[in-house]
Amino acid sequence: TQLLEQSPQFLSIQEGENLTVYCNSSSVFSSLQWYRQEPGEGPVLLVTVVTGGEVKKLKRLTFQFGDARKDSSLHITAAQPGDTGLYLCGAGGTSYGKLTFGQGTILTVHP
Amino acid sequence: NAGVTQTPKFRVLKTGQSMTLLCAQDMNHEYMYWYRQDPGMGLRLIHYSVGEGTTAKGEVPDGYNVSRLKKQNFLLGLESAAPSQTSVYFCASRHRDGGDEKLFFGSGTQLSVL
Repeated sequence: TQLLEQSPQFLSIQEGENLTVYCNSSSVFSSLQWYRQEPGEGPVLLVTVVTGGEVKKLKRLTFQFGDARKDSSLHITAAQPGDTGLYLCGAGGTSYGKLTFGQGTILTVHP
Repeated sequence: NAGVTQTPKFRVLKTGQSMTLLCAQDMNHEYMYWYRQDPGMGLRLIHYSVGEGTTAKGEVPDGYNVSRLKKQNFLLGLESAAPSQTSVYFCASRHRDGGDEKLFFGSGTQLSVL
């Protein structure tokens, strides 16, 4: 079983600040997905990265996959209150599309 | 387009009671999954199914059973609920189009076992 360590677990920042969330493992992933979850709802996919060194941008969000495909990061520029939520990384590489998830990062952006 | 629908949304059980959580998807996906979410532990896979009539154990299957009699439905059963099964349960189905894969999640069932 792949183990994913996500950090930090909690992040409380002011509107306009930048932040980075990390997802690390000792195992190699075939792919890494980032999800965002709002209270009372299920996770929603933000992005999938599959190639070592890959960088993807989604408006103010930048996702990076490590060269060795063992780690990933999510960077948010100029955070807004609407970015508040739980961010989860999920690693592929197992059979039947099963994902192993990190513990999650609870982000709160204060106006 | 409803996507993945879970019922019920909330439930309170007494220890030893049984219940079934229903998941329905209208996207004709083959693969479906049941996860539980607990604070500080992310999502953990309980059981999954790769098609109608098939089921398999995930990471934390003890105390749960599942059935996939129809492609669109995936049921999660608790035969004798325990307080340790207090959690939020999520169902998901998998979309795959070439190299593009994505999980669609339902909105969850919050279960409390007293």
